Amino acid sequence: SQTIHQWPATLVQPVGSPLSLECTVEGTSNPNLYWYRQAAGRGLQLLFYSVGIGQISSEVPQNLSASRPQDRQFILSSKKLLLSDSGFYLCAWSATGLAYSAFFGQGTRLTVV
Amino acid sequence: KQEVTQIPAALSVPEGENLVLNCSFTDSAIYNLQWFRQDPGKGLTSLLLIQSSQREQTSGRLNASLDKSSGRSTLYIAASQPGDSATYLCAVRGGADGLTFGKGTHLIIQP
Repeated sequence: SQTIHQWPATLVQPVGSPLSLECTVEGTSNPNLYWYRQAAGRGLQLLFYSVGIGQISSEVPQNLSASRPQDRQFILSSKKLLLSDSGFYLCAWSATGLAYSAFFGQGTRLTVV
Repeated sequence: KQEVTQIPAALSVPEGENLVLNCSFTDSAIYNLQWFRQDPGKGLTSLLLIQSSQREQTSGRLNASLDKSSGRSTLYIAASQPGDSATYLCAVRGGADGLTFGKGTHLIIQP
């Protein structure tokens, strides 16, 4: 069966520090991968998605970047965090194609102080 | 741009009641619609997926319907239980670029 792992679960970082969140998927090949952010009162916002290794699409301009160095690994990064980067970050995967369910990791609660 | 709206934003009902959560979307050109459950501080759990060609899907006490032409979906929960308390999210897929979510319905089932 497929599983998705996301870590760390919680993170407190000072303004201006770097960020690296990692997500890995097991039990499937060539998944579509996604990073979402959930901010209080704003719902889930798609940040990045990837349909293959090295292929990253950004949905919104921001202080973040994403990379996909391996087929089932998706990394969210920032060189210098802002207070506005605080939120709940969720990684998700779906099978290739448009007819399949999306499955989510347990999320990372990021607080920038 | 697709917009998804969920009504009500919050709902509190006594245990045992049947209830309906509503979701509407502005662009009917979707591939599918998915309902999720989110417990506080946790990730999303997929409940039901309805393809654009389908009218409804059922899983246990949950039934989701889709009227694509009118841009509406409902999630019906039968015989509600305290364990059903959570935030329920509706999301539509318009392409490979992920899901568009509503803001959710925060549901409380009173014992």
